Amino acid sequence: QKEVEQDPGPLSVPEGAIVSLNCTYSNSAFQYFMWYRQYSRKGPELLMYTYSSGNKEDGRFTAQVDKSSKYISLFIRDSQPSDSATYLCAMTSYNTDKLIFGTGTRLQVFP
Amino acid sequence: GAGVSQSPSNKVTEKGKDVELRCDPISGHTALYWYRQSLGQGLEFLIYFQGNSAPDKSGLPSDRFSAERTGGSVSTLTIQRTQQEDSAVYLCASSLEWVASPLHFGNGTRLTVT
Repeated sequence: QKEVEQDPGPLSVPEGAIVSLNCTYSNSAFQYFMWYRQYSRKGPELLMYTYSSGNKEDGRFTAQVDKSSKYISLFIRDSQPSDSATYLCAMTSYNTDKLIFGTGTRLQVFP
Repeated sequence: GAGVSQSPSNKVTEKGKDVELRCDPISGHTALYWYRQSLGQGLEFLIYFQGNSAPDKSGLPSDRFSAERTGGSVSTLTIQRTQQEDSAVYLCASSLEWVASPLHFGNGTRLTVT
C-alpha cells in the first residue's frame, strides 16, 4: 500500500464547476500538506501549503486537512479552462527529509 | 527571477550508454532534491542534498545511479549503463532550508532510452 493515495482521474468538468480533489494517507506523523499544480511538460508549482489540520483559502482555492481521517482535499471554485492540469498532493513530517507525493489527478475544464 | 534550471530538457540515449543530468538550483537554497516521474507513477524520490552532503540516498534505484553537488549549488545526476526502464522525466527541486519549506521545481529532463 502506498503512503499517499490519489485518484489519477482524469476528471473532466465544465467551466464554472466546483472541483474537489482528494488524497488519503497512512502515516499519522505527516504534518505539512501541500498541493502542487503541474502543467504539461512543466515542473510542479506550489499551489497551497497547510500545516496540521484545518482549512486554508486563497482566491478560488481552498485546502482542507482532516488529520483524524488522514484525508486532505483541494477545492477549486468557478473552475476555468486554465485550471486544466495535473494536481499533486504532497506531505511530510518534521522528522523526515523527503516530500511524499500522490500520483496526481489530471483535471480538464472544458468551456 | 531565476528559477531552478535543468539541462538538457530532452535526452535520447541508447541502452548501455551513460548520461549526466544537470540541475542549477535557486541561489541561496541549501536543500536540493532529485525526483523521477514516470507515467502514472507520480513523483518518486531519488536523493536529497543539504549543502554538498547527501544525507538521504535511499531512493536511488540501483548502483547505476549516482549524484553529486558541488559548491552548495549545481548538482549532477549520473546514470550509468542506461536501461529502458530508466526512461522517465527527472525533476530537480530546491528549497530554502528543508523539505517543509516550499519546493521549487525545474521543468525536468525527459530521458528516453532506446
